[in-house]
Amino acid sequence: EPEVTQTPSHQVTQMGQEVILRCVPISNHLYFYWYRQILGQKVEFLVSFYNNEISEKSEIFDDQFSVERPDGSNFTLKIRSTKLEDSAMYFCASTRSGTSGTYEQYFGPGTRLTVT
Amino acid sequence: AQSVAQPEDQVNVAEGNPLTVKCTYSVSGNPYLFWYVQYPNRGLQFLLKYITGDNLVKGSYGFEAEFNKSQTSFHLKKPSALVSDSALYFCAVSRPYNTDKLIFGTGTRLQVFP
Repeated sequence: EPEVTQTPSHQVTQMGQEVILRCVPISNHLYFYWYRQILGQKVEFLVSFYNNEISEKSEIFDDQFSVERPDGSNFTLKIRSTKLEDSAMYFCASTRSGTSGTYEQYFGPGTRLTVT
Repeated sequence: AQSVAQPEDQVNVAEGNPLTVKCTYSVSGNPYLFWYVQYPNRGLQFLLKYITGDNLVKGSYGFEAEFNKSQTSFHLKKPSALVSDSALYFCAVSRPYNTDKLIFGTGTRLQVFP
């Protein structure tokens, strides 16, 4: 069964450094998402992406965040200058096209980001 | 704005007994509703969804959920709990189009005791 994959599984970085989190969505999916989960808290939406542009973003997704689909398979989240409060589990998700009738999003295993 | 409430941080149930994990929602219009499960150090796994139609929906691993529009609830149920069901369960809601973002509840930890 196809899966969403994410790398790395755990990233440790120093405050102020740039990080790139990588995701490979399911191959026939066209809508992509990033969510995050701060330890002990609920999963929060960050951004959705379709047709090479951002569809929607939350207030969390400020100028230090960016997303990109650099090729036909990868979907990346970049944090330009990490802060301590960016420490969280970051989940990538994808879903099929709007005409497919499929409504659920499929999530990757997550990248745990620790900012020191 | 959409929101989801899961009023119980933890639900404890004995193996073999029925379980219920509660969820209420607030959204304008007809909601799309989802349940996801998270095992330790794993991602979110889709369990089931309500989009339209029959209020009782069946999903993976014997779980089901009942949509109640008047009570704005979507409680997750299983007739007979297994120890392996122990995990963190999240209810989520989206606006009624199928590529919308998910808004999650705070999660309910289900502990099934042997």
